[in-house]
Amino acid sequence: AQSVAQPEDQVNVAEGNPLTVKCTYSVSGNPYLFWYVQYPNRGLQFLLKYITGDNLVKGSYGFEAEFNKSQTSFHLKKPSALVSDSALYFCAVSNPGGYQKVTFGTGTKLQVIP
Amino acid sequence: DAGVIQSPRHEVTEMGQEVTLRCKPISGHNSLFWYRQTMMRGLELLIYFNNNVPIDDSGMPEDRFSAKMPNASFSTLKIQPSEPRDSAVYFCASSFPGTIYEQYFGPGTRLTVT
Repeated sequence: AQSVAQPEDQVNVAEGNPLTVKCTYSVSGNPYLFWYVQYPNRGLQFLLKYITGDNLVKGSYGFEAEFNKSQTSFHLKKPSALVSDSALYFCAVSNPGGYQKVTFGTGTKLQVIP
Repeated sequence: DAGVIQSPRHEVTEMGQEVTLRCKPISGHNSLFWYRQTMMRGLELLIYFNNNVPIDDSGMPEDRFSAKMPNASFSTLKIQPSEPRDSAVYFCASSFPGTIYEQYFGPGTRLTVT
């Protein structure tokens, strides 16, 4: 069975500082990895994906994520945090087999402090 | 594009009553998902339709829950009879053919069962 773990329920970072939201995964075969963001009272929005190729993927709003196969991680990063980045972030995993079911993590609340 | 449309946005009902949630996916999307989000259990996939056919309903909690997709532009999730533990935010999401991992979420229906 595939799964993702987001070890931090909440991450606090000062505005302008770099941010990292952690994610590790478990899946048979090569993973498809994703990040979604949820703003208050809204549905989830797709941020970025890793399917194959360059380990560093860039997504919306200046976010990027680094795929590390040896550590089975896919951490979300941004060089300079904005207050408007405060939201709930979900890591997700799928695999090429079957119908590519997407499994979401439990989410990490990012709080950017002015 | 109007995005995924869900109705109602809020529903308050008494235990034992029937509840019907509605979803209109984005035109051209052939995959549709129903999720439930709670603080305790996070985001759970209830059912996945592809080309109007249920592919994975393993997440449907019990027989009180049923979902239909009579055509490509409409789906319903019904709970009968409803119970207080069904209180949650229910999301519908849709995706393009061949890219079920890039899902577009609706705004959700907040269900409260008293």
